[in-house]
Amino acid sequence: QQQVKQSPQSLIVQKGGIPIINCAYENTAFDYFPWYQQFPGKGPALLIAIRPDVSEKKEGRFTISFNKSAKQFSLHIMDSQPGDSATYFCAASRGAQKLVFGQGTRLTINP
Amino acid sequence: EAGVAQSPRYKIIEKRQSVAFWCNPISGHATLYWYQQILGQGPKLLIQFQNNGVVDDSQLPKDRFSAERLKGVDSTLKIQPAKLEDSAVYLCASRRTGNTEAFFGQGTRLTVV
Repeated sequence: QQQVKQSPQSLIVQKGGIPIINCAYENTAFDYFPWYQQFPGKGPALLIAIRPDVSEKKEGRFTISFNKSAKQFSLHIMDSQPGDSATYFCAASRGAQKLVFGQGTRLTINP
Repeated sequence: EAGVAQSPRYKIIEKRQSVAFWCNPISGHATLYWYQQILGQGPKLLIQFQNNGVVDDSQLPKDRFSAERLKGVDSTLKIQPAKLEDSAVYLCASRRTGNTEAFFGQGTRLTVV
């Protein structure tokens, strides 16, 4: 019940395309859903986060869509650029408790 | 403000040896986490501190791993003795009380041969 399942494992998109990464969770007590971006040799960095009382959140080219009834959330990257090539992790937590991470998606944006 | 500092960046040891990692969180952050990230997987929590007290160590292999956070600031994570499957990146993260965002360090890449 603590798992967060993420798909796909890897994704290749042409520049300007809209990659979509999906996550599903089981624990309905989770109340915070962040996405982290990780470049090789670096630690994860917070990209955008959402709480379950809203269905969508946009920050720049990044959008989270949240479906509470389906217990799913997704990351969309608009007008993707080669610099967006990285590994993306979804996560979930309850209050001040630990972040539970998905398995990660390796995203490649081709020029 | 300075980020989460970790050292060393890389460490190679033989199995059955011991190793220690150090973390200095962002100033004022009471919550400190140690995560283990195995290649190709998401980070997995090993231990969470609130100031110098342990909040969650349910996934810490206590027969070989130990961690402490004396004085509620810096923290060390130790492995003794190391096994081949301990090869991973060990990430430290910190969070200010009342905030949701956790900030991660660059990690220590451990290779056990």
